[in-house]
Amino acid sequence: GNSVTQMEGPVTLSEEAFLTINCTYTATGYPSLFWYVQYPGEGLQLLLKATKADDKGSNKGFEATYRKETTSFHLEKGSVQVSDSAVYFCALSDRNSGYALNFGKGTSLLVTP
Amino acid sequence: GAGVSQSPRYKVAKRGQDVALRCDPISGHVSLFWYQQALGQGPEFLTYFQNEAQLDKSGLPSDRFFAERPEGSVSTLKIQRTQQEDSAVYLCASSRGGLANTGELFFGEGSRLTVL
Repeated sequence: GNSVTQMEGPVTLSEEAFLTINCTYTATGYPSLFWYVQYPGEGLQLLLKATKADDKGSNKGFEATYRKETTSFHLEKGSVQVSDSAVYFCALSDRNSGYALNFGKGTSLLVTP
Repeated sequence: GAGVSQSPRYKVAKRGQDVALRCDPISGHVSLFWYQQALGQGPEFLTYFQNEAQLDKSGLPSDRFFAERPEGSVSTLKIQRTQQEDSAVYLCASSRGGLANTGELFFGEGSRLTVL
């Protein structure tokens, strides 16, 4: 079956530091890949997505590239801000799962001034 | 409304009670999903509706869980004879398209259920 594995948190960084949150996946088909973010007290929001191999999703300074050869979709940002403090979820969907999102466990990020 | 609305936001139930959780999706959205999120975990899929049709209920953990969307808009997730392991945040999400849609899912803030 499908599954998503992402690095354990919490991750604590100073403002302007470089961020990487690792995500790898297992899927029987050709999934679409997503990063969702949950800010404190808010619902999950789509951050970025990629629907095929080598696609790069980007939004708000965050980027992730769909790597089929390593089955990865790592999230990166060159310079984090305090306002980026949130929980980040990697997810996939494909035909075999009825297109329901399959989430990782989430990685909590805390950015300090 | 502007977003997905869920109610109640918080619910405390005694073990054995029945609960009903409501989801108002974004107007016109075809797809509606329910997820269960335990503390410190990612959301787990429960069930999926396309309009009023429940096309996938493979994630419902037991026959105590029941969901409906009778008119293709508002949905209710009902849990009968609640158990402590049902304590979680229940998330509702909607999207504009139907199956095979890779568009954005819009999530509500969730209903936090605590079973004592």
